[in-house]
Amino acid sequence: LAKTTQPISMDSYEGQEVNITCSHNNIATNDYITWYQQFPSQGPRFIIQGYKTKVTNEVASLFIPADRKSSTLSLPRVSLSDTAVYYCLVGDEQAGTALIFGKGTTLSVSS
Amino acid sequence: EAGVAQSPRYKIIEKRQSVAFWCNPISGHATLYWYQQILGQGPKLLIQFQNNGVVDDSQLPKDRFSAERLKGVDSTLKIQPAKLEDSAVYLCASSLSPTAEAFFGQGTRLTVV
Repeated sequence: LAKTTQPISMDSYEGQEVNITCSHNNIATNDYITWYQQFPSQGPRFIIQGYKTKVTNEVASLFIPADRKSSTLSLPRVSLSDTAVYYCLVGDEQAGTALIFGKGTTLSVSS
Repeated sequence: EAGVAQSPRYKIIEKRQSVAFWCNPISGHATLYWYQQILGQGPKLLIQFQNNGVVDDSQLPKDRFSAERLKGVDSTLKIQPAKLEDSAVYLCASSLSPTAEAFFGQGTRLTVV
């Protein structure tokens, strides 16, 4: 199972773009990369998923380089409500176990 | 679309007592997960079901925890007997498949005193 490494915490201000990078050096060929967001007292919520290159949705973008050993979640123009913990997950296709959470990155957005 | 339902929302028990949590996943979701989240930590996977079969229960403390998913729909997680270190939020999630988007319930906050 691919292990992920993320910064423990990040600080930002409203209106800025935030990039959170996740390292997954031993990602397997069939593994997907997924990001979840968690607010206090709530369960995690799916943000975005990708396999390679770039994926964009209404909430965020996910950049994955060709070697797939890392990925970057980009949140455009953050607001106070984006303060949360962000988790990077790498899915284990062979085992069918994809939702293994690490420690996550606590993002704090200030005004 | 109804989300993942969990009950109860809160539970306080004394150590060595038993407790059970219930989860009703989103209709049609074959994959169901139970997680334990201790304050300040990421969710820890306890058990994963695919329909009514167990895919992964490697981190389930089987001497005290048990889980079942009857008929591949609802699921229950039981702790017997509870220890102080079991105090945590227990989250249930479901998805169409192991790599599809997972939807989480609100969780059950367990306090063992």
